[in-house]
Amino acid sequence: DIVMTQSPDSLAVSLGERATINCKSSQNILYRSDNRNYFAWYQQRAGQPPKLLIHWASTRESGVPDRFSGSGSGTDFTLTISSLQAEDVAVYYCQQYYSFPITFGQGTKLEIK
Amino acid sequence: QLQLQESGPGLVKPSETLSLTCTVSGGSISSSHFYWAWIRQPPGKGLEWIGSIPYSGSTYYNSSLKSRVTISVDTSENQFSLKLSSVTAADSSVYYCARQVITGISRGYFDFWGQGILVTVSS
Repeated sequence: DIVMTQSPDSLAVSLGERATINCKSSQNILYRSDNRNYFAWYQQRAGQPPKLLIHWASTRESGVPDRFSGSGSGTDFTLTISSLQAEDVAVYYCQQYYSFPITFGQGTKLEIK
Repeated sequence: QLQLQESGPGLVKPSETLSLTCTVSGGSISSSHFYWAWIRQPPGKGLEWIGSIPYSGSTYYNSSLKSRVTISVDTSENQFSLKLSSVTAADSSVYYCARQVITGISRGYFDFWGQGILVTVSS
């Protein structure tokens, strides 16, 4: 199984500041024949289901604010929120869809400092 | 707008079978571009993929649960279902159904989710 490890486990950032969450996969999830990383980010606000933010490592889902961006390739990935808003308080999860079983990171809790 | 809604009992006794249904509205379950998935989340913990099924009926299960899981699809009702047998307290979770976007050989990401249903295993 591919293990997804996020860092940090929790993060407190001031409003308007940048937040950065990292995710590392135990195996390469870049598929060379199409040069795509089979990787996604989700946001889960309290009491809500997860919401897809980014897929293919850097493609923002329709309707997701452009302050959210994804980067990285191979085994190391980053979610950046360029200017933290109050509504961004949530737990963020990464996910690989390179192989079964589909696996998620353990989550990173983002709070306001 | 696509919507998914989980339904089923919120309380199951230990050793019994958990049975849930996901009803899809606002779109057809019969598309080759999507699988239909179950994911669970113990209270206060992370996400665990349980398994997925395309409308054609072949299934993919998490090996950690494979011996106890059955996922099926009913295209006439636009629904898919989960059965998890021999449950214990460790199976107490919020269970989500979700649409899984399939492109090429990718195993898929989840673009639409139900609201989730809390299932507690207790006598």
